[in-house]
Amino acid sequence: EVQLVESGGRLVRPGESLRLSCAASGFTFSHHAMSWVRQAPGKGLEWVSSISSSGSFKYSADSLKGRFAISRDNAKNSLYLQINTLRAEDTAVYYCARDLWPQYYFDYWGQGTLVTVSS
Amino acid sequence: QSALTQPASVSGSPGQSITISCTGTSSDVGGYNYVSWYQQHPGKAPKLMIYEVSNRPSGVSDRFSGSKSGNTASLTISGLQAEDEADYYCISYTSSSTRIFGGGTKLTVL
Repeated sequence: EVQLVESGGRLVRPGESLRLSCAASGFTFSHHAMSWVRQAPGKGLEWVSSISSSGSFKYSADSLKGRFAISRDNAKNSLYLQINTLRAEDTAVYYCARDLWPQYYFDYWGQGTLVTVSS
Repeated sequence: QSALTQPASVSGSPGQSITISCTGTSSDVGGYNYVSWYQQHPGKAPKLMIYEVSNRPSGVSDRFSGSKSGNTASLTISGLQAEDEADYYCISYTSSSTRIFGGGTKLTVL
């Protein structure tokens, strides 16, 4: 059974940094691209970033480039999202999802981890 | 890049059919057959309903179907059921190798 479990979300102050993790199991992690999607409270889904199976190719939303960095460790079956200089508008549930390339869709999602940015 | 355009809400009675549109540009929806649709119930993670415009994953009811014409993709739900009440999102691959979601549509089953 495919499982994706996010962690690392918490209350942080504006300007701080945070690293989110996503632990994958039930499939060969190193064979699949992965992505992060976020959802602010009461708002719609927003694609954040995607990474290829090897980690060689990374893509991010233009509005988030520079502060967000996606990475992965295939030996640990883990996906990461580094978020720097956090802002109030980054408050959201962050989902990791398995990303089917080159068809470009998300077939499995985690339950999400909540990041709250507030002073 | 602005979100794909979806109606904020649609509604229908049990047994009826509804269609949710998702309008983009030739750089996303119109340029690729990489449109997928997701259902999200309150407090839950999104669930894949349609991929590559019109393909249905195993386990998804055949009451759900997808199509595309020009820059607009559509999700149709036939034989509406109470459990179909949820938010629905489309997403497309873009010419910049990025992805863009629609703003989401709240489906109400009357």
